[in-house]
Amino acid sequence: EIVMTQSPATLSVSPGERATLSCRASQRVNSNLAWYQQKPGQAPRLLIYGAFIRTTGIPARFSGSGSGTEYTLTISSLQSEDFAVYYCQQYDNWPLTFGGGTKVEI
Amino acid sequence: QVQLVQSGAEVKKPGASVKVSCKASGYTFTDYFIHWVRQAPGQGLEWMGWINPNSGGTKYAQKFQGRVTMTRDTSISTAYMDLSSLNSDDTAMYYCAISPYGSGNFHLDYWGQGALVTVSS
Repeated sequence: EIVMTQSPATLSVSPGERATLSCRASQRVNSNLAWYQQKPGQAPRLLIYGAFIRTTGIPARFSGSGSGTEYTLTISSLQSEDFAVYYCQQYDNWPLTFGGGTKVEI
Repeated sequence: QVQLVQSGAEVKKPGASVKVSCKASGYTFTDYFIHWVRQAPGQGLEWMGWINPNSGGTKYAQKFQGRVTMTRDTSISTAYMDLSSLNSDDTAMYYCAISPYGSGNFHLDYWGQGALVTVSS
């Protein structure tokens, strides 16, 4: 199975600053890569799919990039509601697999 | 709007089975695959499998083969996940989620609220 590795595990950022989250796949996933946001006590929410396509309603401060095995989620100017855990997921191959998550904290 | 409403929390003894339901509304039931994903307390996300709402065909993660059964009832737009031979490692929040049918893309567009399953003697 494809192993997804996210870094860092925790990212401490001040409101208004930029956050850069990384996701590495153990083999190429051909941009079949999604990002989710999960807040405490809530289900995950899809932010980005196809490596860079924002889901309807997701603010433009969220952007995805990358190719091959390396992908990045960037939050350009962190708002208070963005402090959460972020997961990447590959859907290029079975089984679907998720990274271990990056917690973005104040 | 799309809604996935799951059944309530369950407490089960080791060796028992649990059946979690996921009732869909706000979209055509057969337009999306239904996936099941679990999350142990304080841990990450683990994909368990999907069911094709059209054919009833399933695809399970190897880890759960032989222990999980996913079914659906199209007449009431509801999917079910049955997990047997429970042990303490199965204590988790179980989510249903959907991905677009026929697109070949398995990003999970919408999620249920989760159903907490606790396995304890």
